[in-house]
Amino acid sequence: QVELQQSGPGLVKPSQTLSLTCAISGDSVSSNSGAWNWIRQSPSRGLEWLGRTYYRSKWYNDYAVSVKSRITINSDTSKNQFSLQLNSVTPEDTAVYYCASGVLATGYTTWGQGTLVTVSS
Amino acid sequence: QSALTQPPSASGSPGQSVTISCTGTSSDVGGYNHVSWYQQHPGKAPKLMIYAVTKRPSGVPDRFSGSKSGNTASLTVSGLQAEDEADYYCNSFAGNNNWVFGGGTKLTVL
Repeated sequence: QVELQQSGPGLVKPSQTLSLTCAISGDSVSSNSGAWNWIRQSPSRGLEWLGRTYYRSKWYNDYAVSVKSRITINSDTSKNQFSLQLNSVTPEDTAVYYCASGVLATGYTTWGQGTLVTVSS
Repeated sequence: QSALTQPPSASGSPGQSVTISCTGTSSDVGGYNHVSWYQQHPGKAPKLMIYAVTKRPSGVPDRFSGSKSGNTASLTVSGLQAEDEADYYCNSFAGNNNWVFGGGTKLTVL
């Protein structure tokens, strides 16, 4: 049974970088059949898929067009976790951020507990 | 504004059936059989209820079913129970390694 545990700060200043980590148990970040996603939810934007990382003999990343210029998703095989970095944040980036596992064929099967990130000075 | 259109609310009495629609375009819902549905209770993370249009993950009651016709996908909840009261969101693959969500439907059990 896969479990995802998120960590990271809940308050980020405008123009700075939002950083969150998602620790995986019950599966491997470098599984050849898995994919590791970041999704956020806000009252103004609803649920929004941000991007994913996955390993298929080498690492791949896909990012939503809306954040492509500002986002980086990395994996850390030694800690079995993956991370989100979102640069140059504005108050519009205030949201609950979720990590989630899942691939095209299965949907987002497991979700982290969510982290409310507020962008404010 | 969400890419997929859902009604803001739906309701039904215990034991009844209710259907929630999710309308997209031929570039997302209509173009792929990769529609999933999520249930979200207040303060909780979403939970996968349906994937690949019609499939149910292990542990999801068979009262939940999914279907698709053209550019519209639907989630039907039969035999409504009090614990089904929640927000429901659809999600679809939209090509070019991109996924889109619906705006959500608040289901009320009367």
